[in-house]
Amino acid sequence: DTGVSQNPRHKITKRGQNVTFRCDPISEHNRLYWYRQTLGQGPEFLTYFQNEAQLEKSRLLSDRFSAERPKGSFSTLEIQRTEQGDSAMYLCASSPGTDTGELFFGEGSRLTVL
Amino acid sequence: GDSVTQMEGPVTLSEEAFLTINCTYTATGYPSLFWYVQYPGEGLQLLLKATKADDKGSNKGFEATYRKETTSFHLEKGSVQVSDSAVYFCALSTGFQKLVFGTGTRLLVSP
Repeated sequence: DTGVSQNPRHKITKRGQNVTFRCDPISEHNRLYWYRQTLGQGPEFLTYFQNEAQLEKSRLLSDRFSAERPKGSFSTLEIQRTEQGDSAMYLCASSPGTDTGELFFGEGSRLTVL
Repeated sequence: GDSVTQMEGPVTLSEEAFLTINCTYTATGYPSLFWYVQYPGEGLQLLLKATKADDKGSNKGFEATYRKETTSFHLEKGSVQVSDSAVYFCALSTGFQKLVFGTGTRLLVSP
């Protein structure tokens, strides 16, 4: 399967712990996006990368959140000192960088903070 | 800021019924408009798009027309199937493919 892959698919953690999610985009795509989706809501933009450069971050991305994309391939999203409000589905998407408007989404990583 | 409003669900229809899901938007520029669909257990995928006023996007029997005068992009299908049961998201983009999504509308189609 050559689609966008996210791991882990589910993560349950206790409040205060750190968690890290990984996204492997479609190999030839140079743009990578992170979105967050809470129950009953649409996805909300968090951040995006053009190759290894992080070009934009949403105000939703507090100091406890950090995203990286070393070497412009896979990306990680780390949440430090998790809070119950961080419980959500974290979606990764990639695109080839042309302005077709199509993002290719992974199935998401669901975080539950107890 | 930019925003998308779509009708609340669930929308419950019988097979072969006509479908309309309303979507309106607010944007400062001239956005591109999209419908994404999420089938059970799968990731979001693009259903159709329109990049300028009066454009009609279509795919799999679904259609939506970019109406600048009413700032709308309503999704329609003439005859729904059970396999169309999913959550549908209207979205807009004003650049760099950063999408602003609506809250989603769940469609349930019964045989």
